[in-house]
Amino acid sequence: DQQVKQNSPSLSVQEGRISILNCDYTNSMFDYFLWYKKYPAEGPTFLISISSIKDKNEDGRFTVFLNKSAKHLSLHIVPSQPGDSAVYFCAASAGYGGATNKLIFGTGTLLAVQP
Amino acid sequence: NAGVTQTPKFQVLKTGQSMTLQCAQDMNHNSMYWYRQDPGMGLRLIYYSASEGTTDKGEVPNGYNVSRLNKREFSLRLESAAPSQTSVYFCASSTRDRVMDEQYFGPGTRLTVT
Repeated sequence: DQQVKQNSPSLSVQEGRISILNCDYTNSMFDYFLWYKKYPAEGPTFLISISSIKDKNEDGRFTVFLNKSAKHLSLHIVPSQPGDSAVYFCAASAGYGGATNKLIFGTGTLLAVQP
Repeated sequence: NAGVTQTPKFQVLKTGQSMTLQCAQDMNHNSMYWYRQDPGMGLRLIYYSASEGTTDKGEVPNGYNVSRLNKREFSLRLESAAPSQTSVYFCASSTRDRVMDEQYFGPGTRLTVT
């Protein structure tokens, strides 16, 4: 049972345009969400996060939106750059403010930004 | 700082063989983790260690053992490798055992079991 779902395996966007990556979750106990970026032959790197007490978090070109009622979050990248081409993983946890640090990852979306 | 390092980068095992994957971090982090990544499955937590001297099971612990040797090192052992353990293994670390703490990942070990 996939608790965190990224239904789009891949996405292609033109340089300078907006990239929107989506993530859905089923566990209503999740209260903290993260996005990781992964290049081939490297480990994932942390990108941005959001807790359930917020509906938006912004960091430079990256913005994450959370819709708790729909159990949906999205990552917006504006403007997209060729260096953003990577696999993006959504992750969730039910441990905000607690002791657990167990993350549940989605299956990833491969973003290709065309020059 | 090297961050999180993993050895080896690649390994091929025959079914039934054993091996240990090594992980070390030089960031003075308390918590360390082992994940596996399989096609279409994302990353799944195998074991983690909240602090030196403690280890806990993650989502997919069967067939694996871990040792937190000291604060820097966290190893993953496959006692009797099976083809189902063919995967890419990532080690990660974070400052504390709280989910909001960013996890830093190593480059991964690609393991094939034939």
